[in-house]
Amino acid sequence: EAGVAQSPRYKIIEKRQSVAFWCNPISGHATLYWYQQILGQGPKLLIQFQNNGVVDDSQLPKDRFSAERLKGVDSTLKIQPAKLEDSAVYLCASSADRGLVWPQHFGDGTRLSIL
Amino acid sequence: TQLLEQSPQFLSIQEGENLTVYCNSSSVFSSLQWYRQEPGEGPVLLVTVVTGGEVKKLKRLTFQFGDARKDSSLHITAAQPGDTGLYLCAGRSSGSARQLTFGSGTQLTVLP
Repeated sequence: EAGVAQSPRYKIIEKRQSVAFWCNPISGHATLYWYQQILGQGPKLLIQFQNNGVVDDSQLPKDRFSAERLKGVDSTLKIQPAKLEDSAVYLCASSADRGLVWPQHFGDGTRLSIL
Repeated sequence: TQLLEQSPQFLSIQEGENLTVYCNSSSVFSSLQWYRQEPGEGPVLLVTVVTGGEVKKLKRLTFQFGDARKDSSLHITAAQPGDTGLYLCAGRSSGSARQLTFGSGTQLTVLP
């Protein structure tokens, strides 16, 4: 099966600019996650969708970050305006949600650099 | 917020040596997963442990879940250069959202 697709792979912008990331999960996976991974740290959950509804966005900086998952499939994550501390890899993951031990399948991420 | 602490943060060993990575928390998790991440890629699931005291083996890798489901360890026997990578533990809460909390990772380098 095809994996989680993310684009772009790399993005360089100046602070205060806007940026958007796109994610296409594995077909049939109901749950989609966006994580932020700062260099030297583990991934931090930003937002979790179940189909097209938000399950958890408690760690999403809502003053500058937004995300949507239209029609319960693809998702976009936007940052507006970007700050220097937003430099990180943004990972998208999806899972099938069958039982207690369902795995999350990750994309290769978008590496964002803020100048 | 549930926190997972991993140790050591960095580990550099020679090929053929054994090593253990630890993952500790003060919180109880319904399950715990171990992932490996290579540069430029997303984490890939290695194993999931669910029952307190559970031990799982994956070739040269042995995973153990603590009896109280608050900690876990990963032991690698006779490490190989191909084992190099960032090892992440991730605990799943028992809440309705079933959130996954990641540790800070252990960067393992196995030298030939």
